[in-house]
Amino acid sequence: DAGVIQSPRHEVTEMGQEVTLRCKPISGHNSLFWYRQTMMRGLELLIYFNNNVPIDDSGMPEDRFSAKMPNASFSTLKIQPSEPRDSAVYFCASSFGDGLNYGYTFGSGTRLTVV
Amino acid sequence: GNSVTQMEGPVTLSEEAFLTINCTYTATGYPSLFWYVQYPGEGLQLLLKATKADDKGSNKGFEATYRKETTSFHLEKGSVQVSDSAVYFCALSDRGAGANSKLTFGKGITLSVRP
Repeated sequence: DAGVIQSPRHEVTEMGQEVTLRCKPISGHNSLFWYRQTMMRGLELLIYFNNNVPIDDSGMPEDRFSAKMPNASFSTLKIQPSEPRDSAVYFCASSFGDGLNYGYTFGSGTRLTVV
Repeated sequence: GNSVTQMEGPVTLSEEAFLTINCTYTATGYPSLFWYVQYPGEGLQLLLKATKADDKGSNKGFEATYRKETTSFHLEKGSVQVSDSAVYFCALSDRGAGANSKLTFGKGITLSVRP
């Protein structure tokens, strides 16, 4: 298994531009999580899906952020318009069920820089 | 609500030194407890877990015991190696939340091991 695959690995964009981050979870996993990691705030859960349905998006910072999971093998996190304070590493993770027995599998992350 | 508190870092040790990283938690239900490790430039990886009181999780020479009486899950290793240099995250998940369980992470602590 190739693990959780995120793309791109690095993204540099100008303020005001739209940014789309992509994630392919592990086949067979039915829960998917988007996290953001910064030095100041550590690891923050933005949103998670169970069976492609958003369960909790209370961590999404504001309306500029949106996430979709059109099918079991693909999810996107979109920021429009982007701002410098969105600069962070964004991680996608997936799990089977609630992940309590086997934990979550994380992707390698997308490092976003907004200038 | 659920929360995880980790000791302040960073921690710098010499190779073969003994390691303890403290973690305490607050949970409303019956949490499972986890330690994740993040190597430079990578996503988080599950290191070990414990699902009930007095359970001991172990992996790669690391151990942690679920102590309900002190609400703690301290990570220990008898002899650290340079390759153990990474960021370590303590996390919990409330099993009582069922399908909506999700992990709550601590802020993480950076461990650097000198040769």
